[in-house]
Amino acid sequence: GAVVSQHPSWVICKSGTSVKIECRSLDFQATTMFWYRQFPKQSLMLMATSNEGSKATYEQGVEKDKFLINHASLTLSTLTVTSAHPEDSSFYICSARPLRGASYEQYFGPGTRLTVT
Amino acid sequence: AQKITQTQPGMFVQEKEAVTLDCTYDTSDQSYGLFWYKQPSSGEMIFLIYQGSYDEQNATEGRYSLNFQKARKSANLVISASQLGDSAMYFCAMREGVGGADGLTFGKGTHLIIQP
Repeated sequence: GAVVSQHPSWVICKSGTSVKIECRSLDFQATTMFWYRQFPKQSLMLMATSNEGSKATYEQGVEKDKFLINHASLTLSTLTVTSAHPEDSSFYICSARPLRGASYEQYFGPGTRLTVT
Repeated sequence: AQKITQTQPGMFVQEKEAVTLDCTYDTSDQSYGLFWYKQPSSGEMIFLIYQGSYDEQNATEGRYSLNFQKARKSANLVISASQLGDSAMYFCAMREGVGGADGLTFGKGTHLIIQP
């Protein structure tokens, strides 16, 4: 089956530093990858949509200069949280839409838990 | 207005009973898709079932079925013969438009607990 990995699975960083989270589709190519954020006991909120080789599209209210997204290949998208603050602590989940497959298909990664101290 | 509404924050159900998790949605698009995901405490999102807006038959996947009532904008998940391992958060989600280029909008979720 289609597998999406995320690295790291959890990270603790100090306030003011930057953190990079990787999302990889392991056995398929992904035209589009999505980044979501989930605060404790809340739902997933779409942050941005990234397409290989083009700029990401950010949802309203998400700071593009703070959450840098790069989709350099059909199997890798990265999310960099710049100058992280405690309020950025959250569970970050990516999903990937296969290049070939039914239009509704998308596969989620296992998530990355970010804690900013 | 919320696009996806799940009115049951939590549910307790006896093992082996059937469960219905409610979901209503709001969209002006003619083409859209509805999804249900299970999220155990580990955090992974497990895809359960999908219903396209043009699908005339209700979707089924093993013990999961989606009760799609388009006129009511309702997409309830039915789990038959519940098991202890079904205890988790359940999210209803919608993608609007065609082509799958858009991300999903999620409801607030229902925390389902199956009791022995």
